[in-house]
Amino acid sequence: DAKTTQPPSMDCAEGRAANLPCNHSTISGNEYVYWYRQIHSQGPQYIIHGLKNNETNEMASLIITEDRKSSTLILPHATLRDTAVYYCIVRVGGTGRRALTFGSGTRLQVQP
Amino acid sequence: DADVTQTPRNRITKTGKRIMLECSQTKGHDRMYWYRQDPGLGLQLIYYSFDVKDINKGEISDGYSVSRQAQAKFSLSLESAIPNQTALYFCATSDAGTGPYNEQFFGPGTRLTVL
Repeated sequence: DAKTTQPPSMDCAEGRAANLPCNHSTISGNEYVYWYRQIHSQGPQYIIHGLKNNETNEMASLIITEDRKSSTLILPHATLRDTAVYYCIVRVGGTGRRALTFGSGTRLQVQP
Repeated sequence: DADVTQTPRNRITKTGKRIMLECSQTKGHDRMYWYRQDPGLGLQLIYYSFDVKDINKGEISDGYSVSRQAQAKFSLSLESAIPNQTALYFCATSDAGTGPYNEQFFGPGTRLTVL
């Protein structure tokens, strides 16, 4: 699986957009980008995933660069409840016989 | 009711004791996983199982063993607990599926302290 690099921490004002970057310069053509988050020692929660097109769901948007070497998770209107550690994971999708590999993630602190 | 449950939620034990952590799921998923999380760090994969007859070692399997008793149950054992196994343990499940969607559903975690 491709290695990912994320900043260790970020701050964001409540109500503003939170933009969390992830570098994955060694990503392969069949590897997807997944984002999970973990709120204060709870089990991680899936947010979104994508291959090469931008994706949006009710939680967030995922912007993947054209060369696929980096991506940005966007929380459009951050709230205090979005304070969490956000993990960017790159791996082959579907029935591949490998589990997710979690790095250290980005600790997002949403400020009131 | 929660889809993925873990018991116990908290456990304090002594060095050398055998301990079992249990995970049950009602999602009907074939795949189950055990992760460990040390303070301030990401999750590390201990073992995973893609069906009842399949067991695979993860990144940090030494000192641990698992049992997949049924599709819905996956247990993690520490045969002889040591203090550096003090951590937060998570169980997760996922559907095999045929597409790229690979969402894992996590349990609430078990906080284990080995004295």
